[in-house]
Amino acid sequence: AQSVTQLGSHVSVSEGALVLLRCNYSSSVPPYLFWYVQYPNQGLQLLLKYTTGATLVKGINGFEAEFKKSETSFHLTKPSAHMSDAAEYFCAVSSYNQGGKLIFGQGTELSVKP
Amino acid sequence: GAVVSQHPSRVICKSGTSVKIECRSLDFQATTMFWYRQFPKQSLMLMATSNEGSKATYEQGVEKDKFLINHASLTLSTLTVTSAHPEDSSFYICSARAIRENTEAFFGQGTRLTVV
Repeated sequence: AQSVTQLGSHVSVSEGALVLLRCNYSSSVPPYLFWYVQYPNQGLQLLLKYTTGATLVKGINGFEAEFKKSETSFHLTKPSAHMSDAAEYFCAVSSYNQGGKLIFGQGTELSVKP
Repeated sequence: GAVVSQHPSRVICKSGTSVKIECRSLDFQATTMFWYRQFPKQSLMLMATSNEGSKATYEQGVEKDKFLINHASLTLSTLTVTSAHPEDSSFYICSARAIRENTEAFFGQGTRLTVV
């Protein structure tokens, strides 16, 4: 079985500050890990994903995440927040035997203050 | 590439009627499509997995007779909400997995269903 826990349903940062959104997973097989962003009344946009290989993954819009197996974590970071980053962020887990089926975390709403 | 289109983006229907939502993969063939439901301020919950040419697999607690899924071709899956009630109002999102792609499925834009 797989599961995802996102710590903090709401994170608020100032514009220009570091963004850190936390994600921990549970998986009995090697995980595939994803971060998605969702704007109101829209679908999901993939920010980045980890399947195999390099554990530091760079995505779109300046986001990156590091897969840490020992900590079962896949935290999302961005050095400097922009107002346009305000949105809902979802961490998700899958694996080679799930065929694209995702288990999502609860989501974290990011607010960016001017 | 890898574009998934969902239609309609918004629909309002009366209680007791049925509504159909389409999910199309525009530039790839999808053997598998997934249907998710999202309540306001909540996460996405998988409702069912749809495989081309076979019956859908529903997650526990999802009524298969209420949420009819058809995956008749490699580019189209439909979700029909039958005898809709206000509690069915939600955001429905599909995703599609390409043939020979095992790491990722691509998401549609979602459909906002409001039952009045």
